[in-house]
Amino acid sequence: GAVVSQHPSRVICKSGTSVKIECRSLDFQATTMFWYRQFPKQSLMLMATSNEGSKATYEQGVEKDKFLINHASLTLSTLTVTSAHPEDSSFYICSAGDRAQETQYFGPGTRLLVL
Amino acid sequence: SQQGEEDPQALSIQEGENATMNCSYKTSINNLQWYRQNSGRGLVHLILIRSNEREKHSGRLRVTLDTSKKSSSLLITASRAADTASYFCATDASSASKIIFGSGTRLSIRP
Repeated sequence: GAVVSQHPSRVICKSGTSVKIECRSLDFQATTMFWYRQFPKQSLMLMATSNEGSKATYEQGVEKDKFLINHASLTLSTLTVTSAHPEDSSFYICSAGDRAQETQYFGPGTRLLVL
Repeated sequence: SQQGEEDPQALSIQEGENATMNCSYKTSINNLQWYRQNSGRGLVHLILIRSNEREKHSGRLRVTLDTSKKSSSLLITASRAADTASYFCATDASSASKIIFGSGTRLSIRP
């Protein structure tokens, strides 16, 4: 099946720094990718829809200037958490699906810890 | 809230018993999917059921869908210790391509 990778898998940073997370579709092209955030013992909350070649669409309550999304190619979307703070510590998961698929393929997630 | 609801929130059963989890959602859907997530790990896709389907089987999994009630259930038969995980339903709304997750059920299988 289709594979989606994320990098890094885990990151620890100091408060105030910015962190970039990459999401790649390895064997298919994805015009749309999705970014989710998951706090401990909670479900996945959709943050934004990443659209190749255009601006991302953010869900209500998600700050677009805080969480910068770039979808520069059909196989790569990046999420940058700017000026990260401890409350941004979470598990970030991306997903992607090609046009022929009904199923979204999920990356393995990136665990962010902001000290 | 963008999420659907799942119940129970947590379920603990003896190995070998059947586990049933329920999911309710809010909007019209194209399909509904169930995922499993082991603690701290990524998602594993279990099964997809389309809006025009009422029941689907995959191995020890049985999924039902009632679009009139906007609800679905996941039955795991003859549970095993390895089934211990969180289970999420996720809907693909008719009006949008994004997938919205339910609140999840934490399943524990006692040996």
